[in-house]
Amino acid sequence: AQKVTQAQTEISVVEKEDVTLDCVYETRDTTYYLFWYKQPPSGELVFLIRRNSFDEQNEISGRYSWNFQKSTSSFNFTITASQVVDSAVYFCALSEERTGNQFYFGTGTSLTVIP
Amino acid sequence: DVKVTQSSRYLVKRTGEKVFLECVQDMDHENMFWYRQDPGLGLRLIYFSYDVKMKEKGDIPEGYSVSREKKERFSLILESASTNQTSMYLCASSATSIRAYEQYFGPGTRLTVT
Repeated sequence: AQKVTQAQTEISVVEKEDVTLDCVYETRDTTYYLFWYKQPPSGELVFLIRRNSFDEQNEISGRYSWNFQKSTSSFNFTITASQVVDSAVYFCALSEERTGNQFYFGTGTSLTVIP
Repeated sequence: DVKVTQSSRYLVKRTGEKVFLECVQDMDHENMFWYRQDPGLGLRLIYFSYDVKMKEKGDIPEGYSVSREKKERFSLILESASTNQTSMYLCASSATSIRAYEQYFGPGTRLTVT
């Protein structure tokens, strides 16, 4: 069974629009960690954020914000006022305490921002 | 800055060839990982290593082996390359902790097997 689901395969938005990328995860552990990565056309995955299961505070970093809700097992990512440079594939990932440092990645959401 | 480097960005090999993909990290990380990335499938873990000479199978180890003789270097070996191993291969490293630390990725190697 897929531990991390990113139901949106591809999204296109016009520049300056807001966009939310969905991530739903599945785990039985009480201690776990969630991550978002960005993969621009160059190919290298860039770490964006890590969240642990005990911290449900939403986080904002510039135009990026993350909404972690344990009740719905979701960790959604919103880009405000999107820019062309945001065009990339975005991956959500889960790491469970019992499996140590192993990550489970979603299948990714390809975001295209149209100028 | 953490630096993870991979020996080649693009590689073309023939079916049946033995292929070596090299990965080096410069942050003294204990953990290293090899993934393959295919459209619609995301990243799938092939092998990982928690320490020198240690290795663990990931989700799709068949057709691959690995070697970690030095802490900074983790090699992925395709003993006899096949066309279904055409893919993007990504290496990553992370520090060991009771908390999961983020993985840092290399630029990837796009392997084509003809």
